[in-house]
Amino acid sequence: DGGITQSPKYLFRKEGQNVTLSCEQNLNHDAMYWYRQDPGQGLRLIYYSQIVNDFQKGDIAEGYSVSREKKESFPLTVTSAQKNPTAFYLCASLGTADSLKDGYTFGSGTRLTVV
Amino acid sequence: KQEVTQIPAALSVPEGENLVLNCSFTDSAIYNLQWFRQDPGKGLTSLLLIQSSQREQTSGRLNASLDKSSGRSTLYIAASQPGDSATYLCAPITDSWGKLQFGAGTQVVVTP
Repeated sequence: DGGITQSPKYLFRKEGQNVTLSCEQNLNHDAMYWYRQDPGQGLRLIYYSQIVNDFQKGDIAEGYSVSREKKESFPLTVTSAQKNPTAFYLCASLGTADSLKDGYTFGSGTRLTVV
Repeated sequence: KQEVTQIPAALSVPEGENLVLNCSFTDSAIYNLQWFRQDPGKGLTSLLLIQSSQREQTSGRLNASLDKSSGRSTLYIAASQPGDSATYLCAPITDSWGKLQFGAGTQVVVTP
């Protein structure tokens, strides 16, 4: 079945460490997105990419970095510059052929905790 | 910037009652609007997608309406069941990059 795979499901980060969250899709979608979810708040956009080797900052990009070397992969790195990284991270994709008619597909999320 | 508001923030009903979840947005120039369901600790599951040219969309017990001019969408869930307990999120797409703007959601509890 086609879908989005996020790994790991749980991740623990020590102070000062960089960690990378994986997002892989087999839907042949062009566009991919990273959202952050905090308790009691709506999802906020971190980064997005519409094509390989190109990506754009979202509303809360500070302290995060991404790459898009392959169409199916969009990893997110949480750097030590992100002061409050504890949150639930969701990856999503959107096919751009008829992108705005198909809707989004989301992964199952990664819960990141600072220890 | 698009602002999305969902009312009520929380809702508790006995099994069998119909649910009405409201979503309002400030920028009516949307491409489409998607309703999602989120179970605790899980990702988002798409429920319904309404194109900007549509007035409503139906899937089983779910029906979503869209009034672009007034910036409103409503999700109706008929004959609620305990398995409908979840947080429901609405999200309009307002630019060609496809970025979603989310409301904070409505947390629904259906009691047996």
